[in-house]
Amino acid sequence: AQSVTQLGSHVSVSEGALVLLRCNYSSSVPPYLFWYVQYPNQGLQLLLKYTSAATLVKGINGFEAEFKKSETSFHLTKPSAHMSDAAEYFCAVSGRRGSNYKLTFGKGTLLTVNP
Amino acid sequence: DAGVTQSPTHLIKTRGQQVTLRCSPISGHKSVSWYQQVLGQGPQFIFQYYEKEERGRGNFPDRFSARQFPNYSSELNVNALLLGDSALYLCASTPWGADNSPLHFGNGTRLTVT
Repeated sequence: AQSVTQLGSHVSVSEGALVLLRCNYSSSVPPYLFWYVQYPNQGLQLLLKYTSAATLVKGINGFEAEFKKSETSFHLTKPSAHMSDAAEYFCAVSGRRGSNYKLTFGKGTLLTVNP
Repeated sequence: DAGVTQSPTHLIKTRGQQVTLRCSPISGHKSVSWYQQVLGQGPQFIFQYYEKEERGRGNFPDRFSARQFPNYSSELNVNALLLGDSALYLCASTPWGADNSPLHFGNGTRLTVT
């Protein structure tokens, strides 16, 4: 079984500040991990994914995440927040290699960016 | 190329009614998945279909059913609607294979049950 815990349902940062969104996972098999972003009234857009290659994964819009097996974490970071980053962010785990049919999502973190 | 398209975008139904939601995958994608996103929560997996066959099912009651057509489009049906079925229903498509291609999501259908 797989599960995801996102620490902090709401994170508020100033424009230009570091963004750090936390995600811890639990998986009985080697996981594949994903971060998705959801803007209001839209579906989910993939930011980045970890599929057992490099542990530091770079995504779109300047985001990156680091897979740390010892900490079972996959935190999302961005060095400098932009107003357009305001959205809800979801961490997800796929618990079965070779099949991405079932993603287990966390509850999401709402990111607010203050001018 | 067009992304995943879902229809309708919004829907209001009454308790006890039945609803059908539709999804067209990205061209070339043969697998379609359905997720339910209740307000304030992450999406929850309902079904996956590939080649018209159900390949996975989440923890949802039998009131939920789906099917996939030869052109790979899909329908999600929910019978005997409950207030708790109010949610954003997301469809996602992916090429079928072992490379863990990510899911590509549509913008969803917002279902309100009154």
